Amino acid sequence: KNEVEQSPQNLTAQEGEFITINCSYSVGISALHWLQQHPGGGIVSLFMLSSGKKKHGRLIATINIQEKHSSLHITASHPRDSAVYICAVPPSGGGADGLTFGKGTHLIIQP
Amino acid sequence: ETGVTQSPTHLIKTRGQQVTLRCSSQSGHNTVSWYQQALGQGPQFIFQYYREEENGRGNFPPRFSGLQFPNYSSELNVNALELDDSALYLCASSLKRELYNEQFFGPGTRLTVL
Repeated sequence: KNEVEQSPQNLTAQEGEFITINCSYSVGISALHWLQQHPGGGIVSLFMLSSGKKKHGRLIATINIQEKHSSLHITASHPRDSAVYICAVPPSGGGADGLTFGKGTHLIIQP
Repeated sequence: ETGVTQSPTHLIKTRGQQVTLRCSSQSGHNTVSWYQQALGQGPQFIFQYYREEENGRGNFPPRFSGLQFPNYSSELNVNALELDDSALYLCASSLKRELYNEQFFGPGTRLTVL
């Protein structure tokens, strides 16, 4: 079973700061998901990536498959970015064991 | 295009009771996965349904069961509720069953067992 570790667990920053959230996993995968969860529970898919880098607005996600590591960056952070950010990986070998999730990074952006 | 919906939003039950949670998949999605998220934890995989058949199951006891209907909507049933079943239950639908495809999550059902 893949072990997924995220860091930091909690992060408080000032508006405008550059944010980095890290995710590492133990078993090679074909793709990785970055998800955002707001208070109240709903989860939104931010990125799914299998190599290199993806950018959407102020969000950038990178992955290094060889090093089993991914990062999520937020540029020019804003209080509305405050949420829990979760990385998740599919089972290795393509089985149907469901995504394995990290415990999440609780991000607070203060005005 | 309608997103993934779940009902009810909140539910309170007592220990020993049974509960049914519902998920309506995004249009055209034939795969649905259910997850349990305890407070402060990441979601845990319960099971996946693909074209009305169970396609994988996590480490949950048989009192957690499910169904997927011809329109690909889905139910999660939990019998003999225990206090530890209190959690947020999330469903996610996708176009294909492989989990490297984009997953679309519903808003969740928060279950409280007293």
